[in-house]
Amino acid sequence: AQSVSQHNHHVILSEAASLELGCNYSYGGTVNLFWYVQYPGQHLQLLLKYFSGDPLVKGIKGFEAEFIKSKFSFNLRKPSVQWSDTAEYFCAVRAPHNTVTTSGTYKYIFGTGTRLKVLA
Amino acid sequence: DSGVTQTPKHLITATGQRVTLRCSPRSGDLSVYWYQQSLDQGLQFLIQYYNGEERAKGNILERFSAQQFPDLHSELNLSSLELGDSALYFCASSVAGTGDGYGYTFGSGTRLTVV
Repeated sequence: AQSVSQHNHHVILSEAASLELGCNYSYGGTVNLFWYVQYPGQHLQLLLKYFSGDPLVKGIKGFEAEFIKSKFSFNLRKPSVQWSDTAEYFCAVRAPHNTVTTSGTYKYIFGTGTRLKVLA
Repeated sequence: DSGVTQTPKHLITATGQRVTLRCSPRSGDLSVYWYQQSLDQGLQFLIQYYNGEERAKGNILERFSAQQFPDLHSELNLSSLELGDSALYFCASSVAGTGDGYGYTFGSGTRLTVV
């Protein structure tokens, strides 16, 4: 079964520190990859996404992620975090369903999230 | 405002009761997805509807059911509620039901507390 692993459950950084959040997925075929962010009390928002092409993807708010196919990874990075980056971050993979009832049916699988706290 | 509307925002109810959560997708989106977010399980996919039809099912309990109406809004019904059902329930929408790799738009969620 497909799965997404986020190994860091809680991360605490000081402002201006660099950030890297790990994301690994298990699926051998073509996938689309996403990072979502959930600020306190708000809904999930799309940070960035990868479909194909350049494996280094730029997102909003200075975030970027690198798709490394050989490692099944899609780590999120930011060179210098701010207090306002305090949030929960979810990695997600779009992959075909195990039981395909109609052709081209996909599902999104989310990681369990990483809670980032940035200290001012 | 993401364009996906969920009501109510908060719900407190007793064990054994039944509640209905409502979701209106973003204008133009045909697919609605329901997710349950709890502290220990993260985001769990429950069910997807596309243009009124059930498209995919995830880890949805038999006590839970959903439907999507002709106007594309969706309702998630939770019955015989247990303490463990306390969670944040998210609805998300997307344009298509298949081959849509553009990500979701999420609502703000309904926080359900079962006491």
